[in-house]
Amino acid sequence: DTGVSQDPRHKITKRGQNVTFRCDPISEHNRLYWYRQTLGQGPEFLTYFQNEAQLEKSRLLSDRFSAERPKGSFSTLEIQRTEQGDSAMYLCASSTGSREEKLFFGSGTQLSVL
Amino acid sequence: AQKITQTQPGMFVQEKEAVTLDCTYDTSDPSYGLFWYKQPSSGEMIFLIYQGSYDQQNATEGRYSLNFQKARKSANLVISASQLGDSAMYFCAMRVNYQLIWGAGTKLIIKP
Repeated sequence: DTGVSQDPRHKITKRGQNVTFRCDPISEHNRLYWYRQTLGQGPEFLTYFQNEAQLEKSRLLSDRFSAERPKGSFSTLEIQRTEQGDSAMYLCASSTGSREEKLFFGSGTQLSVL
Repeated sequence: AQKITQTQPGMFVQEKEAVTLDCTYDTSDPSYGLFWYKQPSSGEMIFLIYQGSYDQQNATEGRYSLNFQKARKSANLVISASQLGDSAMYFCAMRVNYQLIWGAGTKLIIKP
């Protein structure tokens, strides 16, 4: 399978705990995106990487959120001191950065904060 | 402001009929791209079709076509000969620079 993979698929945590998600993009893709999606809404942009450089971070992203892509391959998204409002689907996508910029998405990580 | 509007929260369509999903957009940037994605209940976002702002012809991908009317700022998705497997959420999105701006989606249900 050469698609975008995300781990875990589901995460249940208690308020105040830290969580970390992983995304493995398509291998030849140099751009990687993180989005958050709540029920009945379209995805909201969180951040994106060009290779290992984090080029943009949404104002929606509080200081509790941090993302890394240390070697320009896989990426991690960490949420510290989770809150109930963090409950959402976290989607990762990758692309080649071409003009058409087709994003290929993973299946997402569903986070539930109790 | 850059914005995508999908005015149909939900649609029911009889199997084998054609269906049009509406999308209007707003941007002042002359260079942009328009996308349609399908999201089944499994959650994965599946790319369907792309239209660039400078493309002269409407995009087509199999049963999917994009009715691009630049002056009206609309980019409607047309699905011909709908199938039960087409039941899903459909999102219109606009790329300006590096960001994709998404609509709220249309839930499409195909009736047998």
